[in-house]
Amino acid sequence: AAGVIQSPRHLIKEKRETATLKCYPIPRHDTVYWYQQGPGQDPQFLISFYEKMQSDKGSIPDRFSAQQFSDYHSELNMSSLELGDSALYFCASSSTGRAADTQYFGPGTRLTVL
Amino acid sequence: KNEVEQSPQNLTAQEGEFITINCSYSVGISALHWLQQHPGGGIVSLFMLSSGKKKHGRLIATINIQEKHSSLHITASHPRDSAVYICAVRKGGATNKLIFGTGTLLAVQP
Repeated sequence: AAGVIQSPRHLIKEKRETATLKCYPIPRHDTVYWYQQGPGQDPQFLISFYEKMQSDKGSIPDRFSAQQFSDYHSELNMSSLELGDSALYFCASSSTGRAADTQYFGPGTRLTVL
Repeated sequence: KNEVEQSPQNLTAQEGEFITINCSYSVGISALHWLQQHPGGGIVSLFMLSSGKKKHGRLIATINIQEKHSSLHITASHPRDSAVYICAVRKGGATNKLIFGTGTLLAVQP
């Protein structure tokens, strides 16, 4: 069965550069969630989208923005990168925005900021 | 105090042992997830619970809504079960985001 796809899997950037992370949800899933997991830390919720509209917002810095496109894939744009942005970024998808739906996680994108 | 607490934080078991990982939460929730994360790897969703008990292979998850407590059990543990097990809750209300526990690092020795 198709799973959540994230690209790239690994990304190395310099400070103050920009990065774009992509997430392709499971087919027919209309909700996408982004999470950030710093080294040795719990994943933290960043932002979610349902039917191309932002549905919830967590501790996402102003330097980050995200959107969901008409094909339901989502992109997380990160500007003015800082060393502290180095983390594993997970995307998850579900079939609707309802609380009763399981979130399926992608493999993550490991971002390293030098 | 974290809204989601797990115990133990670290667990070492011998192959074949029965394992229990506990999760307690302090907020009203609409659902609770048990997730598995291998070192350096992605997260796999094991269970989503809102009540009662679920079983999948050697894994069993239970939840007691009144006591705000959930347990993940692994029967006949195997070295390939070695991973971090994370409890995550979805608060009640309109929010969809998950709040994650600190994880339990399980090592199953042959």
